[in-house]
Amino acid sequence: KAGVTQTPRYLIKTRGQQVTLSCSPISGHRSVSWYQQTPGQGLQFLFEYFSETQRNKGNFPGRFSGRQFSNSRSEMNVSTLELGDSALYLCASSLGTGGNTIYFGEGSWLTVV
Amino acid sequence: SQQGEEDPQALSIQEGENATMNCSYKTSINNLQWYRQNSGRGLVHLILIRSNEREKHSGRLRVTLDTSKKSSSLLITASRAADTASYFCATDAGNAGNMLTFGGGTRLMVKP
Repeated sequence: KAGVTQTPRYLIKTRGQQVTLSCSPISGHRSVSWYQQTPGQGLQFLFEYFSETQRNKGNFPGRFSGRQFSNSRSEMNVSTLELGDSALYLCASSLGTGGNTIYFGEGSWLTVV
Repeated sequence: SQQGEEDPQALSIQEGENATMNCSYKTSINNLQWYRQNSGRGLVHLILIRSNEREKHSGRLRVTLDTSKKSSSLLITASRAADTASYFCATDAGNAGNMLTFGGGTRLMVKP
């Protein structure tokens, strides 16, 4: 059974640009959530989607957005990139929402220059 | 914001020794999960322990949970060089779905 797949693995963007990251959850999982990991702030929750609906949102500006498709695949978008957005973005999937084991992908490394 | 603290922040041991990492959290939880992260990689799930459980085992891993003290510990027995990684605890609370709140992590180095 394939794990959580994230693309791209590495990318470099310029300040002011936008970026879209993609996540394919484990087959059968309907919940997808996103996290940002930085050396200064650690691991922080961005948002969770379940059955195409955003269920929870972390404390991030509106430049960070996401969506989930009917096949449970998810994308997150960051617009007007800032240097501080450089981070490892991790996607996680779970069968349901609440109380289940949550599995993470390998992450997408974003560098903003 | 982080849910709590992990202790110690860094730990260096010899192969074959046991490693114990502690995690404290601030609010009531449904579950607590432990993850391992090798440098620059994603998080690997180790164990989930529910709030009504006190102890769980998986291979060389033993996790305890004390909800009265809002703390958990991860014990790795007979450590190996391959156990070198960062270890994180993460909690989910109430009706917050799959929103995990992470501790700062413990960096474990196992010397061969």
